[in-house]
Formats: sequence, C-alpha cells, structure tokens
Amino acid sequence: LAKTTQPISMDSYEGQEVNITCSHNNIATNDYITWYQQFPSQGPRFIIQGYKTKVTNEVASLFIPADRKSSTLSLPRVSLSDTAVYYCLVALLSGGYQKVTFGTGTKLQVIP
Amino acid sequence: DTEVTQTPKHLVMGMTNKKSLKCEQHMGHRAMYWYKQKAKKPPELMFVYSYEKLSINESVPSRFSPECPNSSLLNLHLHALQPEDSALYLCASSQDGTDTQYFGPGTRLTVL
Repeated sequence: LAKTTQPISMDSYEGQEVNITCSHNNIATNDYITWYQQFPSQGPRFIIQGYKTKVTNEVASLFIPADRKSSTLSLPRVSLSDTAVYYCLVALLSGGYQKVTFGTGTKLQVIP
Repeated sequence: DTEVTQTPKHLVMGMTNKKSLKCEQHMGHRAMYWYKQKAKKPPELMFVYSYEKLSINESVPSRFSPECPNSSLLNLHLHALQPEDSALYLCASSQDGTDTQYFGPGTRLTVL
C-alpha cells in the first residue's frame, strides 16, 4: 500500500487560502487520491478525489502533478468551521475492493 | 441521501458483556466497512463486506464479530472486550467497493 506523508499541523487566518500537500511516492497506476475532512468525534467526510491534473468542486481543489507522487488540497478562503483534521488517502483496489489506509492527517487550525 | 447511520452513539460495557453496534445505509451501496479509531489517531480498517460477503478481515481479534444480514445493514458483535478496545467505531459504505466511502458518525465505545 502506498504510504502518505502530510504535515502534522497547520495554522491559517480566516479568509486565507490554505494548501495542504501530501506525499505519496509509491503510488501505483490504479491508485486514486482522496481527501477527507474529520471533526472531533465525527466520521470522516469526503472532500475531493482525483487521479491526475486538477479537480475542482464546490468546496476545494485538488492539484496532482504529472508524476502523481504528491498532491495538494487547496481550500479557498477558510473559515473557523474549516478547523479539522484533513486526511490524504491513496486507495488501492485490492481484489476489486478499496483497501483504504489513512495517513496521520493534517490538523488545520483556522485563527480569527 | 448520502447518510450512514450508526447506533448507539455511545456505549459503555464491561469486559464480560456482549453488545452489538449497528450500521445502516439506504443508498443502495453494496460495500460496507468497519473502522476503529483511537484518540488522535487515523481510522484503521477492520472489515470489508461486499455484496453481503466478508471480503477483507484485517486480522481483527475474534472478540469482534461482524455480520451483514442484508445489503443495507451491518452489525459488529462485541464480546469479552478489553479496555484497550475503547475507541470510536466507524462504519462506512460505498457503491461497489471501488468508489468513494461515506462514513457514519461513529459509536464511541468505552470498555470498563
């Protein structure tokens, strides 16, 4: 399974754009990159998923370079409610099923 | 509707008790998962069911016994647990095991 490496924590002021980078050097051809957000004592919430280049949805953008060995989650204009742990995952298709391994996550603290 | 429900929200049990955790989804997903999450740690995969059959067992002790009575319901039967089994137990589901996983809110389990 591809291992992911993220910064343990980040601080940002409200209204700023936040970029969280994830390293996944051993990513395989069939792996997708997925990001989840988790608040304390709640289940992770899907944010965005991509395979290569750039993906954008209503809450975030995901940038993936050509070699796919890293990815960057971009959160535009964060608010206090974006304070959470963000997990970067590389999902391996094992026997047809996603065998997901969560990394250590990045704890984002948004400051007023 | 992208909701996965879990009951109970909180559970306290003794080491000799038998209890069950319940997870339900009505999204028509055919893959369901159990994860265990210790405080300040990422979720760890325990079991994967696909089309109501156990597909992945991540070497979980036999005191945890999963059951999938139908495609919408997933149970985790608990017996003779240890205090170190205290954690947040998360259920998730996905379309067919290769798609994005949607998580429930979790059951906070305390073993005395």
